[in-house]
Parts: sequence; structure tokens; C-alpha cells
Amino acid sequence: AQSVTQLDSQVPVFEEAPVELRCNYSSSVSVYLFWYVQYPNQGLQLLLKYLSGSTLVKGINGFEAEFNKSQTSFHLRKPSVHISDTAEYFCAVSAQFGNEKLTFGTGTRLTIIP
Amino acid sequence: NAGVTQTPKFRILKIGQSMTLQCTQDMNHNYMYWYRQDPGMGLKLIYYSVGAGITDKGEVPNGYNVSRSTTEDFPLRLELAAPSQTSVYFCASSPGGVGTGNTIYFGEGSWLTVV
Repeated sequence: AQSVTQLDSQVPVFEEAPVELRCNYSSSVSVYLFWYVQYPNQGLQLLLKYLSGSTLVKGINGFEAEFNKSQTSFHLRKPSVHISDTAEYFCAVSAQFGNEKLTFGTGTRLTIIP
Repeated sequence: NAGVTQTPKFRILKIGQSMTLQCTQDMNHNYMYWYRQDPGMGLKLIYYSVGAGITDKGEVPNGYNVSRSTTEDFPLRLELAAPSQTSVYFCASSPGGVGTGNTIYFGEGSWLTVV
């Protein structure tokens, strides 16, 4: 079975400052990793995903994440945040060629301070 | 550009009542899912379907039923509503399974309160 830990439930950041949202996972098999974003009162949408290849993955809205197999981490970063980045961010993991279960973390609420 | 559409958006139910959350997708995706989201708990999979006529339980199926008679539709039925079913429900779909790295596309959610 897979599990995901998002270490910070809330992260306040000043506008135009950098941000890192942390995600660690646990799995006995190879995994695919995802970051989803949920804007207020909306559904989730995909920010980026890691399937294979380069460990640095670039996504939408200037976000990127780095897969670190030895540390079992998939942290999300953005060099300069904007007010519109205020949202909840979910890290998720699925087992490669496993069952159809996407396991989500508990989410990190990113608040941008003007 | 509809994607995944779910109705109703908001509903208040009394304990013991039943209802159906409707979900339809226009992307011709084979896989469909129902998740519930509770505060601070992330999303939990209720049921999923890999194609018309095929459904399977997720992590938290108790108190719910689903059917998949067409590729487009995947309704979720709540029988004998309980306060523990107060939650936000998301329907979602994907072209293939997440086990092969496919992206899941979500609807906008249905807020359900059981009183």
C-alpha cells in the first residue's frame, strides 16, 4: 500500500516570495506522483506529474517539483508566488501498474499575503 | 468544454433519506470515480468503474451504491443518509487507470449536509 504525508497543513507566504510545499511518500513498489491544486469552491486540477525520466518536472502556472527517490520526496516549488496561487495543494501517489487507487495527502493550504 | 459535470451542487438531507448524486462526462473516458473530501482528511475513494457495467469498491464504500450503465454516466446513491456522510463529493474521470500514470479530471463538487 502507498501513503502520502504532507508535512505542512498551512503555509503563509508573502507575495513574490518563493515557496516550497513538502510531500513525502511511502511505497514498496515504484510509483507515479502527482500534485493537484484546488481553488476555493472548485474541483481539483492537475498541476504536474512525475512518471519517469527527468526528476525535475515542470507544471502549469510556474510550478515545478523534484522527485527524490532516496528521500522518497516530491516537493513542490515556485520561485515567486502571486495572489492567485492561494489554494489548497494535494500531493498524490499511485502504484505503477497497480490497482486503480490514487492515494492523496491531507493537503497544504497556501495563503499569499499581499 | 464541459468535462465532468455533477449535480446537485448543494443538498441538505435528513437522516434516513436517500438521494442520488448525478455525474456525467463528455470526454469518452473509460474510468470514472467517486471521492469524498472531509476537512483535513484529503480525498478518499468511494467507488470506481473501469468501464460500462463494471464497478468496484474503493476505501470507503459503506453506505453508498453505484452503477455504470453507460460510458458517460456514473451516479452515486446514498441509502439511509447518516450525519457521517456530510461531506463534499467529487466525481472524476480518466482515460485510463492511474496505475499507468493517467491524469484524473475532477468535477466541481457536490456539498452534502445530513441533518
